[in-house]
Amino acid sequence: GQSLEQPSEVTAVEGAIVQINCTYQTSGFYGLSWYQQHDGGAPTFLSYNALDGLEETGRFSSFLSRSDSYGYLLLQELQMKDSASYFCAVRDGGGKLIFGQGTTLQVKP
Amino acid sequence: DTAVSQTPKYLVTQMGNDKSIKCEQNLGHDTMYWYKQDSKKFLKIMFSYNNKELIINETVPNRFSPKSPDKAHLNLHINSLELGDSAVYFCASSQDRQGSSPLHFGNGTRLTVT
Repeated sequence: GQSLEQPSEVTAVEGAIVQINCTYQTSGFYGLSWYQQHDGGAPTFLSYNALDGLEETGRFSSFLSRSDSYGYLLLQELQMKDSASYFCAVRDGGGKLIFGQGTTLQVKP
Repeated sequence: DTAVSQTPKYLVTQMGNDKSIKCEQNLGHDTMYWYKQDSKKFLKIMFSYNNKELIINETVPNRFSPKSPDKAHLNLHINSLELGDSAVYFCASSQDRQGSSPLHFGNGTRLTVT
């Protein structure tokens, strides 16, 4: 079957760095994406990795290792507003974007 | 100038009723989707259309029927609603079906079946 695994919850303090891991098993792979969703809101796109390595966008970075079927989202200089759920997602061979179950990040003062 | 808009935002109805959710995108995207998010926040794809053509139809009960009158609109009709249909339904669109095309989500429709 197809599955994406990520931790259910992560807690960190303001100013810290946190890494959210994602491992995937899908039929076909066309890139790993990350989405952020605040409570009551819509998921919003954060990043996309098609090739191995690190992609940096401001305080957020995303990493992919296709040989390990693994990626992570790195959030630096955490702010209270970063408290949200973070989803990894893989586009499979059939064109579907399949989401992980989400990681709830709680940032504490 | 909302990119992906869906209505209604909230829908409360009784078991057995039929209801519809409408979605429109003004991004000029070719592909639209319906996702269901359950109480545990799991986002599961239901349907996808590309230029009005159904391209993804997950194992969704046939009480759910999508309809795309044009590539900017994708509606969802649900017959004989059941308690288990209670969830947040998100419409989304993307430029195309490529892996690099991010999904743009609407704000969701929170459906409560009593």
